[in-house]
Amino acid sequence: DARVTQTPRHKVTEMGQEVTMRCQPILGHNTVFWYRQTMMQGLELLAYFRNRAPLDDSGMPKDRFSAEMPDATLATLKIQPSEPRDSAVYFCASGLPSGVAETQYFGPGTRLLVL
Amino acid sequence: GESVGLHLPTLSVQEGDNSIINCAYSNSASDYFIWYKQESGKGPQFIIDIRSNMDKRQGQRVTVLLNKTVKHLSLQIAATQPGDSAVYFCAENPHQGGKLIFGQGTELSVKP
Repeated sequence: DARVTQTPRHKVTEMGQEVTMRCQPILGHNTVFWYRQTMMQGLELLAYFRNRAPLDDSGMPKDRFSAEMPDATLATLKIQPSEPRDSAVYFCASGLPSGVAETQYFGPGTRLLVL
Repeated sequence: GESVGLHLPTLSVQEGDNSIINCAYSNSASDYFIWYKQESGKGPQFIIDIRSNMDKRQGQRVTVLLNKTVKHLSLQIAATQPGDSAVYFCAENPHQGGKLIFGQGTELSVKP
């Protein structure tokens, strides 16, 4: 059954290292979202793409975070350099707009711990 | 200093009882609403949605009610089961397509 996949599922790294998270959206979905979830802030939208073009990345710290869609089947979120405050669960979601409705389907998340 | 996390509202119900989870949304222009369920260690999972031209929609054991007058959304779960234990999020779409605004979530605990 179709689902969003994310890799890696878990990542432990040291402060200053680069972190790359990958997402494969559901085949045919043309919108991809990146979220971060923490106990302090809940679920925050970082960025989203439609037809591979970035539509909004206002929720993303620009100095260290970058998001791209090299092709329709792959979205990446990079943090360079990583900091302990980046520790969180990062979710990718994909969707296919249909009129006013756009249900987002979430992946299992990447649990990131920056030491 | 000591860190403080989000204090989620909690609803505790007995197995077999009905559950009602409430959500107040913020934008009167929102035209589409979704309920998600998030189990521990997993991503949010779509449960049911409703468009603003409706006030009620039913799924399997779940019903969503929308009151646009007071900007209130509720999720009713019939015959609640232990597997329903999770955090439930409502989300609104204030624009056609694109961003969803998520509520803080309600933790549902089902006692066997």
